[in-house]
Formats: sequence, structure tokens, C-alpha cells
Amino acid sequence: ETGVTQSPTHLIKTRGQQVTLRCSSQSGHNTVSWYQQALGQGPQFIFQYYREEENGRGNFPPRFSGLQFPNYSSELNVNALELDDSALYLCASSVTSGRTDTQYFGPGTRLTVL
Amino acid sequence: AQSVTQLGSHVSVSEGALVLLRCNYSSSVPPYLFWYVQYPNQGLQLLLKYTSAATLVKGINGFEAEFKKSETSFHLTKPSAHMSDAAEYFCAVSDPGGSYIPTFGRGTSLIVHP
Repeated sequence: ETGVTQSPTHLIKTRGQQVTLRCSSQSGHNTVSWYQQALGQGPQFIFQYYREEENGRGNFPPRFSGLQFPNYSSELNVNALELDDSALYLCASSVTSGRTDTQYFGPGTRLTVL
Repeated sequence: AQSVTQLGSHVSVSEGALVLLRCNYSSSVPPYLFWYVQYPNQGLQLLLKYTSAATLVKGINGFEAEFKKSETSFHLTKPSAHMSDAAEYFCAVSDPGGSYIPTFGRGTSLIVHP
């Protein structure tokens, strides 16, 4: 148990729809990162939020957006869903945004786009 | 740009045998390196990390890894496999001088036979 929770566990959407995934960080952590893990692949970094501001972004289009709230919970929003968005979405929290800080991962949300 | 290559998508060992999971990295600067484990239906858990201190890094659950600059490798080992070690293992690299955007390998599935 890492203390990081994600909801929902599973989600099925159709192409073109919008989805919001939620993450509750470990207590005291002010940084959250989001990753996309396609089947049979390693996680790919989407973006990181530090103290409610985006602090780094991977190679994902603007239809992937996020929010971090004052209590350090966060959301990942994906607009105009595409079939290739089907994946496991992981969030990870850390005490700070430091490069060597240990990230604590949640169990993920499995998104299926039909 | 950084990258990691994990040799072998599947590694099969007998219980009690040596575990060796291979990771080679590509980086223009001395990197930070990480090994993560992912159990079924769970998020990633950090096993160990190299951040330019000792080249032999000891992690949790009896795992260790050695940073070898000359071979650009960071292989993960464990002297004696347990059934509970069966999982997916990911090697990751990040650039100490840049923003924190880790690059993960595609993963190696460790299978442990009784």
C-alpha cells in the first residue's frame, strides 16, 4: 500500500467522448505525475504538477490536461478520446518535484475506448 | 535523448535460482537510473535507484543493481528467486540536469517456477 488511490478502477468510453480520472496523493506530498501505460509497454510520462502548476510535460497533445487541487489531489482529463488512448493510467505522488525523490504509484485506472 | 533497453521481454527461472534482468541505457550525460516492480493489477513500486553515489545499489526484497558506465548497463540481480518475485520489472532513466521526465523500458516479465 502506497497511500495513493485512484478512481475509477476501470472505465469504458466511446471514441470522441471526454473522461476525467482522479488521484488522491499520499499525505504530505505536493507533487503528482501522470503516466500512460499501454498494454505490453512501459509507462510514458504525461505531465507533472507541483503546487497546483504544471511542472513538466511529456509528448502528449493538449487534449490531455490536468489539475491539482490545494489538498494535492489531482485530475487527468482527456478530451476527444481516440482508440489509442486505451491504456492503464497511473498517477504517482512524491514529497517534492526533486529528480531523485521516490515516486509512490497508485494502482491505476484501466481506460478502454471503443 | 535518453532511452533504456531491457533485453528479454520474459525471463524464466526456478525458485532458488539467480535472477538477472538486463537493462542498458543511452544517455549523453551520467544518468539517474531506477528499477521498478509491478505486480498484477497494481501500480509500480520502486526497488532501487542510482543517483551517482555508490555504483552498487541495494534495494528492497533482496534485489541489487550495479551501474557500469563502460558497459552502459544497470542490470538487476537477486541471488535466490522466490515465487513472490514473479512480476513485471521496469528499468527507467532520467537526466539529472534536466526536468524530471523519466523514460521507462518496455519491461521484463519474471516467471518463477517451483
